[in-house]
Parts: sequence; C-alpha cells; structure tokens
Amino acid sequence: QQQVKQSPQSLIVQKGGISIINCAYENTAFDYFPWYQQFPGKGPALLIAIRPDVSEKKEGRFTISFNKSAKQFSLHIMDSQPGDSATYFCAASNTGGYNKLIFGAGTRLAVHP
Amino acid sequence: GAVVSQHPSRVICKSGTSVKIECRSLDFQATTMFWYRQFPKQSLMLMATSNEGSKATYEQGVEKDKFLINHASLTLSTLTVTSAHPEDSSFYICSAPRRGGEETQYFGPGTRLLVL
Repeated sequence: QQQVKQSPQSLIVQKGGISIINCAYENTAFDYFPWYQQFPGKGPALLIAIRPDVSEKKEGRFTISFNKSAKQFSLHIMDSQPGDSATYFCAASNTGGYNKLIFGAGTRLAVHP
Repeated sequence: GAVVSQHPSRVICKSGTSVKIECRSLDFQATTMFWYRQFPKQSLMLMATSNEGSKATYEQGVEKDKFLINHASLTLSTLTVTSAHPEDSSFYICSAPRRGGEETQYFGPGTRLLVL
C-alpha cells in the first residue's frame, strides 16, 4: 500500500512535443504529490507539487493533473526541450509532505532536437 | 542556493573500512532528516529516518548495525557505513523537511560511494 507506480519507464519525445508521465498510488493517507527532476550524479530537484484539494496545477511548461478518485496523478511537460532530458520521479507523502517520501520507479526522458 | 549540503560528494574506500557521510541543513533546523540510497538507473529507496536526540527509524530490510545514523544536532545528521563492501557502492542522498514554503523537503546533492 506504500507503493507509487510510475510509467512509462522511458520516454522519447521530439523537441516541442508534450511529455506525459503517469503515477498511481494506493495509500489514501497520502496528501502531498511532488515531481522531481534528476540529472546524472545530482540530487533530485523539486519541479512541481500538488495537494489533493486541487485537480490541476501549472507552473510554466509543467502541469500536474490529479485525479483523487482514481488515485492517479500525471506530469505534463509542454514544448519539451533537449534540456528537459533527465530522469523524472513522482513521489507521495503524508502529513503535508514533511514525512518520508515514497518514490516511483522513475522515467528517463530523452528529448530529441 | 543550496539549503542542504552533504560531505563528501564522492568517496572511494577499501572493502572492510567504514565511511561517514554528513548531511547538514544550512539555514534551518531539522529535527528529522531522511536518508535514501539510489543504485544506478534505479529509484530512491528510503533507508532510515534520522531523529534529533533519539534513535533512527530504519526501513524494513536495512541493517541497523551496518548503517549507523547519528543526529547529533538540529543541523547535522551522519550516516556511517560500517565494514563497507562492494555491494554498498551506491549514491546516498539525504533530505530534510522545512516548513514555511511551498517546498517541503530539501535534498542534498548526494554522496557517491565506491567500495573497492
């Protein structure tokens, strides 16, 4: 019940296209859903996060869609750029995100010019 | 700028030796810190929760005696890999929760451990 399932494992998108990564969870106590971007050899960096009281959150080219009833959330990267090529992790936590994070398996995104 | 630091960033050691990794919150106090391990091309797996002034809480399957955690102050947690072996080679990352902003967890830059 602690798992967060992420798909796809890898994704190739052309420059300017839309990248979509999906995650699903089981634990209804989760109340904080962040997305992290990680480059090789670096720690993860927060991209955008959402809480279950909203269904969508947009920050620049990044949008999270959240479906509470389906226990699913997704990351959309609009106008994908080669610099977006990285590994993306969804995660979930309870107590507003101040507790431990449970990470998805990760998606390796490659944006081709 | 960085709000959580780790030291060292990279360490190479011989099998059987112990290695200490430090995690510091730079401009805030953290009564709790989290330690993760990440193998190549895999996700971050929580190892333990470090609690200031009390014992760490380890995740199932993580050996307490092998991965010693000490939360000595409100800004410092250390992870000591004792009697390291090649299979302990990994990327170790810490995080610290911080209240008062949109971002709830700040991650360190990670420590690459290679055991020969």
